Amino acid sequence: DSGVTQTPKHLITATGQRVTLRCSPRSGDLSVYWYQQSLDQGLQFLIQYYNGEERAKGNILERFSAQQFPDLHSELNLSSLELGDSALYFCASTPGGQGRTEAFFGQGTRLTVV
Amino acid sequence: GENVEQHPSTLSVQEGDSAVIKCTYSDSASNYFPWYKQELGKGPQLIIDIRSNVGEKKDQRIAVTLNKTAKHFSLHITETQPEDSAVYFCAPGDKLSFGAGTTVTVRA
Repeated sequence: DSGVTQTPKHLITATGQRVTLRCSPRSGDLSVYWYQQSLDQGLQFLIQYYNGEERAKGNILERFSAQQFPDLHSELNLSSLELGDSALYFCASTPGGQGRTEAFFGQGTRLTVV
Repeated sequence: GENVEQHPSTLSVQEGDSAVIKCTYSDSASNYFPWYKQELGKGPQLIIDIRSNVGEKKDQRIAVTLNKTAKHFSLHITETQPEDSAVYFCAPGDKLSFGAGTTVTVRA
Protein backbone atom coordinates (compact mmCIF):
# COMPACT_ATOMS: atom_id res chain seq x y z
CA ASP A 1 0.00 0.00 0.00
CA SER A 2 1.55 3.28 -1.20
CA GLY A 3 -0.54 5.44 1.13
CA VAL A 4 -2.00 7.34 -1.83
CA THR A 5 -5.75 6.85 -2.30
CA GLN A 6 -7.61 7.47 -5.53
CA THR A 7 -11.36 7.31 -5.98
CA PRO A 8 -13.26 6.04 -7.77
CA LYS A 9 -11.39 3.01 -9.11
CA HIS A 10 -13.55 2.77 -12.21
CA LEU A 11 -15.76 5.29 -13.95
CA ILE A 12 -17.91 4.86 -17.03
CA THR A 13 -19.55 7.92 -18.49
CA ALA A 14 -20.92 9.27 -21.75
CA THR A 15 -19.35 11.73 -24.16
CA GLY A 16 -19.98 15.34 -23.28
CA GLN A 17 -20.23 14.65 -19.56
CA ARG A 18 -18.07 15.92 -16.71
CA VAL A 19 -16.34 13.85 -14.02
CA THR A 20 -14.24 14.50 -10.94
CA LEU A 21 -11.38 12.26 -9.88
CA ARG A 22 -10.11 12.44 -6.32
CA CYS A 23 -6.68 11.86 -4.83
CA SER A 24 -5.61 11.79 -1.19
CA PRO A 25 -1.81 12.00 -0.89
CA ARG A 26 0.35 10.18 1.64
CA SER A 27 0.19 11.65 5.09
CA GLY A 28 2.58 14.61 5.25
CA ASP A 29 3.16 14.88 1.49
CA LEU A 30 2.55 18.39 0.18
CA SER A 31 2.97 17.77 -3.54
CA VAL A 32 0.48 16.03 -5.83
CA TYR A 33 1.01 15.12 -9.48
CA TRP A 34 -1.62 13.98 -12.01
CA TYR A 35 -0.88 11.71 -14.99
CA GLN A 36 -2.84 10.27 -17.88
CA GLN A 37 -1.97 6.83 -19.22
CA SER A 38 -3.74 5.70 -22.38
CA LEU A 39 -3.64 2.09 -23.59
CA ASP A 40 -0.05 0.95 -24.13
CA GLN A 41 1.17 4.51 -23.64
CA GLY A 42 3.54 6.11 -21.21
CA LEU A 43 2.69 8.40 -18.33
CA GLN A 44 1.72 11.83 -19.63
CA PHE A 45 2.26 14.49 -17.00
CA LEU A 46 -0.79 16.74 -16.60
CA ILE A 47 -0.28 19.03 -13.62
CA GLN A 48 1.44 19.39 -10.26
CA TYR A 49 0.26 21.11 -7.08
CA TYR A 50 2.34 21.97 -4.06
CA ASN A 51 0.67 22.97 -0.80
CA GLY A 52 -2.41 24.25 -2.56
CA GLU A 53 -0.69 26.13 -5.36
CA GLU A 54 -0.18 25.07 -8.97
CA ARG A 55 3.54 24.42 -9.48
CA ALA A 56 3.91 22.92 -12.95
CA LYS A 57 1.73 22.27 -15.94
CA GLY A 58 2.19 19.63 -18.60
CA ASN A 59 0.08 18.65 -21.57
CA ILE A 60 -3.22 19.32 -19.86
CA LEU A 61 -6.18 20.12 -22.08
CA GLU A 62 -8.23 23.25 -21.46
CA ARG A 63 -11.22 20.98 -20.77
CA PHE A 64 -9.32 19.60 -17.77
CA SER A 65 -8.68 21.41 -14.52
CA ALA A 66 -7.42 20.54 -11.09
CA GLN A 67 -7.09 21.94 -7.61
CA GLN A 68 -5.56 21.07 -4.28
CA PHE A 69 -7.54 21.79 -1.15
CA PRO A 70 -6.35 22.97 2.30
CA ASP A 71 -6.42 19.38 3.58
CA LEU A 72 -4.03 18.58 0.65
CA HIS A 73 -6.34 16.26 -1.23
CA SER A 74 -6.60 17.02 -4.92
CA GLU A 75 -9.31 16.76 -7.54
CA LEU A 76 -8.97 16.48 -11.31
CA ASN A 77 -12.00 17.71 -13.24
CA LEU A 78 -12.54 16.48 -16.78
CA SER A 79 -15.33 18.12 -18.80
CA SER A 80 -16.88 17.81 -22.26
CA LEU A 81 -15.52 14.29 -22.30
CA GLU A 82 -14.51 12.68 -25.57
CA LEU A 83 -13.90 9.04 -26.44
CA GLY A 84 -10.16 9.76 -26.54
CA ASP A 85 -10.17 10.75 -22.87
CA SER A 86 -10.63 7.10 -21.94
CA ALA A 87 -7.50 6.24 -19.98
CA LEU A 88 -6.02 5.43 -16.61
CA TYR A 89 -5.51 8.52 -14.49
CA PHE A 90 -2.88 8.33 -11.77
CA CYS A 91 -1.94 10.67 -9.02
CA ALA A 92 1.35 10.60 -7.17
CA SER A 93 2.56 12.40 -4.08
CA THR A 94 5.94 13.49 -2.75
CA PRO A 95 6.95 15.44 0.32
CA GLY A 96 7.77 18.39 -1.96
CA GLY A 97 10.24 21.07 -1.02
CA GLN A 98 13.84 21.04 -2.20
CA GLY A 99 15.18 18.18 -4.27
CA ARG A 100 13.51 15.11 -5.69
CA THR A 101 12.61 12.03 -3.70
CA GLU A 102 10.57 8.90 -4.27
CA ALA A 103 7.08 9.46 -5.63
CA PHE A 104 4.24 7.29 -4.38
CA PHE A 105 1.46 6.44 -6.80
CA GLY A 106 -2.16 5.60 -6.24
CA GLN A 107 -3.80 2.62 -7.92
CA GLY A 108 -5.36 4.85 -10.54
CA THR A 109 -8.84 5.62 -11.81
CA ARG A 110 -9.85 3.88 -15.00
CA LEU A 111 -12.08 6.20 -16.99
CA THR A 112 -14.14 4.83 -19.86
CA VAL A 113 -16.01 7.28 -22.06
CA VAL A 114 -18.74 5.69 -24.19
CA GLY B 1 11.75 20.92 -19.85
CA GLU B 2 13.54 17.63 -19.50
CA ASN B 3 13.75 15.58 -22.70
CA VAL B 4 13.76 11.89 -21.71
CA GLU B 5 14.33 8.92 -24.01
CA GLN B 6 14.27 5.26 -23.08
CA HIS B 7 15.66 2.36 -25.09
CA PRO B 8 14.63 -0.23 -25.99
CA SER B 9 10.85 0.17 -25.98
CA THR B 10 10.39 -3.61 -25.64
CA LEU B 11 12.74 -6.27 -24.35
CA SER B 12 12.24 -10.03 -24.30
CA VAL B 13 14.73 -12.13 -22.34
CA GLN B 14 15.09 -15.75 -21.36
CA GLU B 15 14.62 -16.44 -17.68
CA GLY B 16 17.98 -16.26 -15.96
CA ASP B 17 19.47 -13.85 -18.50
CA SER B 18 20.22 -10.17 -17.87
CA ALA B 19 18.23 -7.14 -19.03
CA VAL B 20 19.54 -3.62 -19.55
CA ILE B 21 17.46 -0.49 -20.17
CA LYS B 22 19.00 2.88 -20.98
CA CYS B 23 17.60 6.32 -20.24
CA THR B 24 18.96 9.46 -21.87
CA TYR B 25 18.14 12.92 -20.54
CA SER B 26 18.84 16.48 -21.61
CA ASP B 27 19.05 18.60 -18.46
CA SER B 28 22.65 18.63 -17.24
CA ALA B 29 21.44 20.03 -13.89
CA SER B 30 19.52 16.82 -13.11
CA ASN B 31 20.77 15.17 -9.93
CA TYR B 32 18.19 12.48 -9.18
CA PHE B 33 17.79 9.35 -11.32
CA PRO B 34 15.07 6.87 -10.40
CA TRP B 35 13.62 3.79 -12.04
CA TYR B 36 9.99 2.77 -11.57
CA LYS B 37 8.31 -0.57 -12.25
CA GLN B 38 4.66 -0.76 -13.26
CA GLU B 39 2.89 -4.09 -13.07
CA LEU B 40 -0.34 -4.70 -14.91
CA GLY B 41 -3.24 -2.76 -13.43
CA LYS B 42 -1.12 -1.03 -10.81
CA GLY B 43 0.56 2.31 -10.30
CA PRO B 44 4.31 2.66 -10.83
CA GLN B 45 6.55 1.86 -7.89
CA LEU B 46 10.13 2.95 -7.27
CA ILE B 47 12.60 0.08 -7.51
CA ILE B 48 15.93 1.87 -7.36
CA ASP B 49 17.31 5.39 -7.53
CA ILE B 50 20.67 7.11 -7.60
CA ARG B 51 21.92 10.61 -6.98
CA SER B 52 24.52 12.43 -9.06
CA ASN B 53 27.33 12.05 -6.57
CA VAL B 54 27.29 8.27 -7.04
CA GLY B 55 28.16 6.31 -10.19
CA GLU B 56 26.52 2.99 -9.37
CA LYS B 57 24.07 1.52 -6.90
CA LYS B 58 23.07 -2.09 -6.44
CA ASP B 59 20.16 -3.74 -4.65
CA GLN B 60 20.17 -7.53 -4.93
CA ARG B 61 19.45 -8.35 -8.60
CA ILE B 62 18.96 -4.79 -9.77
CA ALA B 63 21.51 -2.03 -10.28
CA VAL B 64 21.59 1.47 -11.70
CA THR B 65 24.63 3.04 -13.33
CA LEU B 66 25.00 6.74 -14.09
CA ASN B 67 27.11 8.53 -16.70
CA LYS B 68 26.60 12.23 -16.02
CA THR B 69 29.02 13.30 -18.74
CA ALA B 70 27.07 11.46 -21.41
CA LYS B 71 23.73 12.23 -19.68
CA HIS B 72 22.40 8.73 -19.46
CA PHE B 73 21.72 6.14 -16.79
CA SER B 74 20.86 2.47 -17.07
CA LEU B 75 18.87 -0.15 -15.22
CA HIS B 76 20.43 -3.59 -15.00
CA ILE B 77 18.46 -6.66 -13.95
CA THR B 78 20.42 -9.87 -13.50
CA GLU B 79 19.13 -13.46 -13.22
CA THR B 80 15.73 -12.36 -14.54
CA GLN B 81 12.63 -14.07 -13.21
CA PRO B 82 9.03 -14.17 -14.50
CA GLU B 83 7.98 -11.62 -11.86
CA ASP B 84 10.36 -9.12 -13.47
CA SER B 85 7.94 -8.92 -16.42
CA ALA B 86 6.54 -5.38 -16.27
CA VAL B 87 6.88 -1.90 -17.75
CA TYR B 88 9.88 0.07 -16.50
CA PHE B 89 10.09 3.86 -16.52
CA CYS B 90 12.90 6.30 -15.83
CA ALA B 91 12.10 9.77 -14.45
CA PRO B 92 15.28 11.85 -14.20
CA GLY B 93 15.58 15.34 -12.83
CA ASP B 94 13.57 17.66 -10.65
CA LYS B 95 10.33 17.29 -12.52
CA LEU B 96 8.52 13.98 -12.39
CA SER B 97 8.65 13.52 -16.18
CA PHE B 98 8.72 9.92 -17.30
CA GLY B 99 10.31 8.21 -20.26
CA ALA B 100 8.04 6.34 -22.66
CA GLY B 101 8.62 3.07 -20.82
CA THR B 102 10.19 -0.29 -21.62
CA THR B 103 8.04 -3.41 -21.65
CA VAL B 104 10.11 -6.31 -20.34
CA THR B 105 8.95 -9.88 -20.91
CA VAL B 106 10.80 -12.72 -19.23
CA ARG B 107 10.33 -16.02 -21.09
CA ALA B 108 10.21 -19.15 -18.95
